[in-house]
Amino acid sequence: GAVVSQHPSRVICKSGTSVKIECRSLDFQATTMFWYRQFPKQSLMLMATSNEGSKATYEQGVEKDKFLINHASLTLSTLTVTSAHPEDSSFYICSANRDPGTNEQFFGPGTRLTVL
Amino acid sequence: ELKVEQNPLFLSMQEGKNYTIYCNYSTTSDRLYWYRQDPGKSLESLFVLLSNGAVKQEGRLMASLDTKARLSTLHITAAVHDLSATYFCAVDKVRSSNTGKLIFGQGTTLQVKP
Repeated sequence: GAVVSQHPSRVICKSGTSVKIECRSLDFQATTMFWYRQFPKQSLMLMATSNEGSKATYEQGVEKDKFLINHASLTLSTLTVTSAHPEDSSFYICSANRDPGTNEQFFGPGTRLTVL
Repeated sequence: ELKVEQNPLFLSMQEGKNYTIYCNYSTTSDRLYWYRQDPGKSLESLFVLLSNGAVKQEGRLMASLDTKARLSTLHITAAVHDLSATYFCAVDKVRSSNTGKLIFGQGTTLQVKP
């Protein structure tokens, strides 16, 4: 299957700081990537769609000024959690679609964010 | 509101037994996806079901899709401990599109006991 990487895998930061998470498609180009959030023992919630060369589109209820997304190239999307607070602590997962014929998503390994 | 509901949410079973996980959804989506998640890990794609009546099998797992009933099943045959994980089904948020937007079920945590 397609390979999607994320960095870092785990980050602990102080409240008020900003954290950047990178998502890369390693063996294919992805004009679109997606960011999900998962709380413990819960399902995945789609946060936003990252579009190469244009602005990200956010799902209802997701603060775009809080979660900044930049899709710098066909293989890289970044999510920056600005002025992080403890309630932002979560598991953040990105995904990308390699096959235009289906909507099968390949997921990165996830980033565990803990805000103290 | 688009809903995807899995049943059961937790399943504890003995090795060697068979069981089925159900996934109901509220839209007219004609595609459905099954993923596996191990604790602390991300999602692994298991099956992509692209049409009514689709059936796919991989090892001890078999998935099927009935778009008329808006139901997908994930059947486990002769369970082994390695199958212990959380299983998610998901559907396209926008029917028959490749937007990438998926709506996930709550997940079914499977625990296989020796």
